[in-house]
Amino acid sequence: AQKVTQAQTEISVVEKEDVTLDCVYETRDTTYYLFWYKQPPSGELVFLIRRNSFDEQNEISGRYSWNFQKSTSSFNFTITASQVVDSAVYFCALSEGVTNAGKSTFGDGTTLTVKP
Amino acid sequence: DARVTQTPRHKVTEMGQEVTMRCQPILGHNTVFWYRQTMMQGLELLAYFRNRAPLDDSGMPKDRFSAEMPDATLATLKIQPSEPRDSAVYFCASGQLRGQEGETQYFGPGTRLLVL
Repeated sequence: AQKVTQAQTEISVVEKEDVTLDCVYETRDTTYYLFWYKQPPSGELVFLIRRNSFDEQNEISGRYSWNFQKSTSSFNFTITASQVVDSAVYFCALSEGVTNAGKSTFGDGTTLTVKP
Repeated sequence: DARVTQTPRHKVTEMGQEVTMRCQPILGHNTVFWYRQTMMQGLELLAYFRNRAPLDDSGMPKDRFSAEMPDATLATLKIQPSEPRDSAVYFCASGQLRGQEGETQYFGPGTRLLVL
């Protein structure tokens, strides 16, 4: 069975600090997909990124970057120079490509608070 | 800008009443998911459909919950009779599955349900 663990329940940083959100996953499939979603105080879940298991290239998008390491089953998310608007709950999710194509398992989320 | 829409956005009802929540997936998406989010349980997958056929509803209490897709543009989630423990935010998400690829899920704004 697939499992996603976000060990950090809450993180608090001061604006402009860098912060990394951890995500560790478990799966028996060799083909799978990893996601990060953001849930701001407004409540809607916003898709941030998707990675395929066969592509370990890290990705950078503005102040956001993602580090995918199959050797440690981790897909960590770093926000550089954090801003107050980054305050949200962040969810990591895993979808097994063959076994349950499309069905995602979500972690419990990490609540990030960025203070001015 | 295509979005998943959900109605109603808020619902307050009394225990025992029927509740119907509606979702309009993004046009062209072939998969629809229903989630429930509570503080205690986090994000739980209730059911999902592909090409309007139910694939998995194991997360749904069978005796009171039902999910349907009358057509490709409408998904419904019903609770009858409702109970206070059903109070939660219910999210609909849609995605487009191609072959064996995992699909990205795009979430609606949610229906905030309070059962008194």
